[in-house]
This record gives sequence, structure tokens and C-alpha cells, in this order.
Amino acid sequence: SQQGEEDPQALSIQEGENATMNCSYKTSINNLQWYRQNSGRGLVHLILIRSNEREKHSGRLRVTLDTSKKSSSLLITASRAADTASYFCATDSFYNQGGKLIFGQGTELSVKP
Amino acid sequence: DTGVSQNPRHKITKRGQNVTFRCDPISEHNRLYWYRQTLGQGPEFLTYFQNEAQLEKSRLLSDRFSAERPKGSFSTLEIQRTEQGDSAMYLCASSLSPGGGTEAFFGQGTRLTVV
Repeated sequence: SQQGEEDPQALSIQEGENATMNCSYKTSINNLQWYRQNSGRGLVHLILIRSNEREKHSGRLRVTLDTSKKSSSLLITASRAADTASYFCATDSFYNQGGKLIFGQGTELSVKP
Repeated sequence: DTGVSQNPRHKITKRGQNVTFRCDPISEHNRLYWYRQTLGQGPEFLTYFQNEAQLEKSRLLSDRFSAERPKGSFSTLEIQRTEQGDSAMYLCASSLSPGGGTEAFFGQGTRLTVV
């Protein structure tokens, strides 16, 4: 079963707008990661935030983590049509020694030019 | 080699046939993972290897599924007596660890269709 739940399931915005996706999880984690997947392709790693971090930036991406609420958000600023993809959060559980990831169901982002 | 390579990219097979997929991880990565993804869902963990040792298998991995990683390099995932419910994208990922917490690099996946 999936640990993460993502919200919204689908998001449609205009180019230039910001996109925010949320992820909730159930167990204590070592870290939380965000991935992007273009239709029918593999996953591309975007950013990793550790359990002792609260915010992280990478280019146009901003990730926050609230371990007390077991939630994370991914903000994409100044979106582009090329950002159209599915976005998944994935958790590396504190109880897991092997680094396996538990994925949410994803948010499907559509950026209209 | 700059990424994880999976072959074949697509496989169509008849129900009841056996299929085998191959994954070549990033060469210095000691961990290798297999995931399965169905349409509209996130990937689900199947199994992982640390070097040549298979250390964990999901309950999703029925006895028709077997994975190997001889010599701790490439890995194969075999499905015997395929069923229509096996139709999915099979994703391989690798990472470098001690201690977990490192990002996983994914291949492009093998899309299996059982007819």
C-alpha cells in the first residue's frame, strides 16, 4: 500500500503561474524525495529533503517539510509548458534500512502555454 | 554510461508465457531496486539488492516472480506464467549507500502488456 497521499490529484495552470503540490505520509521518515515523470517514461529525481530540514530550494523548486504534521509541499515557480508531468513524493521510512521508497499516487500537472 | 538502463523498453506477451527483464544500474551503485507501476498510480516496491544479496522482497512479489543480481552488477526480473494482472511498467532504480538516504536513479522502465 502507498504511504503517501498527494493533493491535488490533478492541477491545471497557465504558463508563468506557480504550482503547489502537497504530500502527506504516515510513518517517521529519514528523508522525503520528489520525482517527476513524463508520460510513459522513467522517474527523474528532483529534490531530497532530510527529516531535520524544513525547507530546501533548487532552481525554481521549493520544498517544505513539516514532520509534526507528516506533510510536505512542492512549489514550482514561474511554471513552463515543459513542467507538464506527473509529480510524486516518496518517503524513505525511518524503520527501513534498505533505502526503499514508498511513493504517493502523484499529482498530474498540466501547464498550458 | 551515465544512467540506469533497462531492456527491453516494451514487451508484449501471451498469458502463460515467461518473460525476463534486464536492468543495468549505474556502475558504482551498490543498491538496486525493482518497482512496479500501474496506470495512474505511483511505483510500488517489489524487491532490492545490496550488491548481490537480495535483502527484501515485497508481499507483492508472488512466487511467479524471481529476481537475481549475479556478481552485484546487472539484475534480471523474471515473471513465470504471466497473467493479465502483471501488465504494468517495471522500473529499476539504483543508488549508492551506506545508510540509506541517498537519491535513487531510475531507468526508463519496461512496459509489459500481457494479452
